[in-house]
Amino acid sequence: NAGVMQNPRHLVRRRGQEARLRCSPMKGHSHVYWYRQLPEEGLKFMVYLQKENIIDESGMPKERFSAEFPKEGPSILRIQQVVRGDSAAYFCASSQKRGVTWNTEAFFGQGTRLTVV
Amino acid sequence: DAKTTQPTSMDCAEGRAANLPCNHSTISGNEYVYWYRQIHSQGPQYIIHGLKNNETNEMASLIITEDRKSSTLILPHATLRDTAVYYCIVSTNRDDKIIFGKGTRLHILP
Repeated sequence: NAGVMQNPRHLVRRRGQEARLRCSPMKGHSHVYWYRQLPEEGLKFMVYLQKENIIDESGMPKERFSAEFPKEGPSILRIQQVVRGDSAAYFCASSQKRGVTWNTEAFFGQGTRLTVV
Repeated sequence: DAKTTQPTSMDCAEGRAANLPCNHSTISGNEYVYWYRQIHSQGPQYIIHGLKNNETNEMASLIITEDRKSSTLILPHATLRDTAVYYCIVSTNRDDKIIFGKGTRLHILP
């Protein structure tokens, strides 16, 4: 049973380009979470999605960032017109059911390191 | 609005038990205590969780005080690979997301 798969592992983008980060949850998991970790800082929640629905996007920047989790295929975190401040590690997690702090656990991928030059 | 309090850093000798404390004095009766860790540059890893009773798995033990206001994560025989940041997390009104605090940076010393 493969774990949470994120790709690419490393992504370099020039300022103004778009970055697309992919996350394939564990088999049977329909809940996906995205986190951002700036260099030497903690993990910050961005968005929580279920299949075809955004449940909680309270941590997403209002502009340039979007996320989706379609019925088929991986979850995508999209960053438009990247800036140097977007350089960070982006981690995806998945869970089998709701309640990652009261009923079940989350499994994290190895992250995508985005570098904006 | 911190739900948990952890020491910033700790050292432990290799081969010894590492005991990581966590205070959660405002925990509610139906809130779980979760532990995750992040080894440098890797994705966080689930360790263990519990409600009232002590819990043990292949990675660690979780000791929760009777009043549930604090807990201790125990790594019974720490190795260099256990060097990581350890996060103690308590749910917030059955939140559907994990909110990470600053955690405890554990250094295992050879």
